[in-house]
Amino acid sequence: DADVTQTPRNRITKTGKRIMLECSQTKGHDRMYWYRQDPGLGLRLIYYSFDVKDINKGEISDGYSVSRQAQAKFSLSLESAIPNQTALYFCATRAGDRTIDTQYFGPGTRLTVL
Amino acid sequence: DAKTTQPNSMESNEEEPVHLPCNHSTISGTDYIHWYRQLPSQGPEYVIHGLTSNVNNRMASLAIAEDRKSSTLILHRATLRDAAVYYCIPTTGANNLFFGTGTRLTVIP
Repeated sequence: DADVTQTPRNRITKTGKRIMLECSQTKGHDRMYWYRQDPGLGLRLIYYSFDVKDINKGEISDGYSVSRQAQAKFSLSLESAIPNQTALYFCATRAGDRTIDTQYFGPGTRLTVL
Repeated sequence: DAKTTQPNSMESNEEEPVHLPCNHSTISGTDYIHWYRQLPSQGPEYVIHGLTSNVNNRMASLAIAEDRKSSTLILHRATLRDAAVYYCIPTTGANNLFFGTGTRLTVIP
C-alpha cells in the first residue's frame, strides 16, 4: 500500500464550487505539504504544516485553505474554485525530527475547474 | 534559497551514462544539494543529496564541484524508466523545497 495517498485522483468541477482534496499518510511523519504543478512548470508550495497545531502559508496560498485533522491527514480546500486553479496537486510528507530528510510525495490529484 | 540553472532538456541512449548538470552559484555554505525526479504522471521522488563530497547510492551518483557552485547527477546506465524531469534543489534540510523547471531527460531505446 502507498505511504501517501490522495483522494480524489481526478476531479472536474465548475467555477464557484467548493472543493476539498484529501491527503493521508502512513509514514508517521510530522510535516505535510501541499503543492500545485502547472503544465511545463515545477511545483509550487501552497501550504505546509509542521504538526497538527502548526499551519503555514507557502508561496501561493491565496484562494486556498487547509486543515490538519490529525498527524496523518492534511486537507486542501478551494472555497470557490476558479479556472486558473486547474492544475495537478501533490501532497507530500517529511519527518520532522532530522535536519536532513527527504520528502515523500503522493500520486497527485488532477483538478479541472470549468 | 539559491537560484539554480539546469538545461531544459537532454537526451541519452539507453544503457549509456547520463550526466545532468546544475549550476547553483549562489548556494550558501549550509545548503545541501538535493536531486529529485518526477516520472510521467507521478509525484516527485527523492534521488540523492550531498553537501561537499561526492555521493553514491543505488539510483545515482552526485558529483559536487570543489567550489560547490555546480553539481552533476550521474546515471551510470540510463534505462527507459529513467525518463523523467530531474530537479536540482539546494536547500538546508530544515527549509522547504523550491522546485524550478528541471531537466527533462529523454532516453532513446
